[in-house]
Amino acid sequence: EAQVTQNPRYLITVTGKKLTVTCSQNMNHEYMSWYRQDPGLGLRQIYYSMNVEVTDKGDVPEGYKVSRKEKRNFPLILESPSPNQTSLYFCATQQGSYEQYFGPGTRLTVT
Amino acid sequence: AQRVTQPEKLLSVFKGAPVELKCNYSYSGSPELFWYVQYSRQRLQLLLRHISRESIKGFTADLNKGETSFHLKKPFAQEEDSAMYYCALRSTSGTYKYIFGTGTRLKVLA
Repeated sequence: EAQVTQNPRYLITVTGKKLTVTCSQNMNHEYMSWYRQDPGLGLRQIYYSMNVEVTDKGDVPEGYKVSRKEKRNFPLILESPSPNQTSLYFCATQQGSYEQYFGPGTRLTVT
Repeated sequence: AQRVTQPEKLLSVFKGAPVELKCNYSYSGSPELFWYVQYSRQRLQLLLRHISRESIKGFTADLNKGETSFHLKKPFAQEEDSAMYYCALRSTSGTYKYIFGTGTRLKVLA
């Protein structure tokens, strides 16, 4: 079954404590992306990756890091989380110019 | 600047009534445009893309380059159409950078 998985699904943490949200896909898609969804702001792209070792900034990359060491995984790293990074995060994958497949979302709260 | 505008946060219509969800964009070039939908407790999923010019679940959207619009339409709304709808623009520079609108919640009333 084609899947995009994210872990954890829910996370409450404190300001400054480094965290990683994982994203994994089993569809062998080249393109992966991270978004955050906030009320009234919709989805905003954080980072995307066209292929292994190729990443680029989206609209809101500040405070985030990513890496793409292997095709199936695209972790999102928050080195020093702050309360304004409290949000719902989505990972998405895509092959070629076709549609994006979204993960189930990770709800992050930073206190 | 690249931008996607969905002016309505909430649109309520009665079952059987026509629906139009508005989307306007700003992009220097020829973008690719999409509508994504998020039903309650489900993942965001593609509804349709402008280059395919197809009708999905009775919805259509026509790209109007003169008005820079990509409105989503359905002649007769159904209760199961109630969802969050996002218009999205993708860069055609080969980088697949996406810009999403803020979304419109559609409520179809019985």
